[in-house]
Amino acid sequence: GAVVSQHPSRVICKSGTSVKIECRSLDFQATTMFWYRQFPKKSLMLMATSNEGSKATYEQGVEKDKFLINHASLTLSTLTVTSAHPEDSSFYICSAKPGTGDQPQHFGDGTRLSIL
Amino acid sequence: GNSVTQMEGPVTLSEEAFLTINCTYTATGYPSLFWYVQYPGEGLQLLLKATKADDKGSNKGFEATYRKETTSFHLEKGSVQVSDSAVYFCALSPFTGGGNKLTFGTGTQLKVEL
Repeated sequence: GAVVSQHPSRVICKSGTSVKIECRSLDFQATTMFWYRQFPKKSLMLMATSNEGSKATYEQGVEKDKFLINHASLTLSTLTVTSAHPEDSSFYICSAKPGTGDQPQHFGDGTRLSIL
Repeated sequence: GNSVTQMEGPVTLSEEAFLTINCTYTATGYPSLFWYVQYPGEGLQLLLKATKADDKGSNKGFEATYRKETTSFHLEKGSVQVSDSAVYFCALSPFTGGGNKLTFGTGTQLKVEL
């Protein structure tokens, strides 16, 4: 149980393109989803917390207009990297938390984004 | 603020060797502590956790004890296998379940060779 699916697993696109990454909780409802960015040989950096039906909460230093987050249902959150540039290339990971209490986060397998 | 410090990798071991990956933390209050494992190309999986001082988390032969006096949560395994090769992240949360505000260490890559 508690499976989180992230799609696509890998994407390569040209500079200036917008890229959408989906995060789905397959067998549970996720009121809260999290988006992380992982730099090579570095830890995960929390980008934003996404709550169903409300605006995402972004961490300090993360551009909300650059990284658009939508959490329109209890099983789906999307991260759109707008007008992506090479410096946006990274490994993006989502996680989802069941229910509304302090339940463990379940992580997706990540998306490798490469901007040429 | 909260922070987690892990030993730098990579750590390279022979199969059946003993593993220790050090983790220390700085936090206010009484955080919960976690170890996550990331296999190549995948997301993170919760390996084990401990929610209060002197608790021992264990799973799949891995163990870690919450040591408040030394603010540490070192990961150990008595006999590693090639399949244990992965990146291991130590993390803390002010909440018991780890559902919010996880702070991760930089990760330690483990390579196990035959």
